[in-house]
Amino acid sequence: QLQLQESGPGLVKPSETLSLTCTVSGGSISSSSYYWGWIRQPPGKGLEWIGSIYYSGSTYYNLSLKSRVTISVDTSKNQLSLKLSSVTAADTAVYYCASQAWLDPWGQGTLVTVSP
Amino acid sequence: QLVLTQSPSASASLGASVKLTCTLSSGHSNYAIAWHQQQPEKGPRFLMKVNSDGSHNKGDGIPDRFSGSTSGAERYLTIFSLQSEDEADYYCQTWGTGIWVFGGGTKLTVL
Repeated sequence: QLQLQESGPGLVKPSETLSLTCTVSGGSISSSSYYWGWIRQPPGKGLEWIGSIYYSGSTYYNLSLKSRVTISVDTSKNQLSLKLSSVTAADTAVYYCASQAWLDPWGQGTLVTVSP
Repeated sequence: QLVLTQSPSASASLGASVKLTCTLSSGHSNYAIAWHQQQPEKGPRFLMKVNSDGSHNKGDGIPDRFSGSTSGAERYLTIFSLQSEDEADYYCQTWGTGIWVFGGGTKLTVL
């Protein structure tokens, strides 16, 4: 059974780069059966798609974040990564990784706070 | 533009049934969607995928009380025999080439 677990710093300073990792277990991240994505949820608000990556390596990003986001895969570690540059307080959110277009399963999420 | 519309809130009594609606934007009525449940202080959980033909595919361990259906551009989530743990936010979500889209979510209150 596929399981995902996010990890990374819980506190990031404004203007710096947020970096998160999603470790996949129970399946291969390079399998053609899957594709992967990142979603975030600011406190008290709804879900926002950040970006996705296909097994082929093709990436797609939310236009509102595209200039600041990089999503990649490390097949040797079976991990998905997210980098978001030039963060502000508006980037404070719980960040989730998920698999498949219909988001099954989700990781448990990790809270990232942007603060000096 | 691919957009999903949900009512912000819904309520129903314990033991009753409730039907939540997710509406696809014009020109996108053939899209499948997924329903996700987010209980208080928890992360989202995939409930099911609902196809344009009305068929649905539930996630592992999702009770039979949860059912999906379709009418035109509308996708529904029906919950039968409501239980207290069904009080949650419910999000619909869809996908296209290179894009994922979420509805604004419906907050379900079990009375």
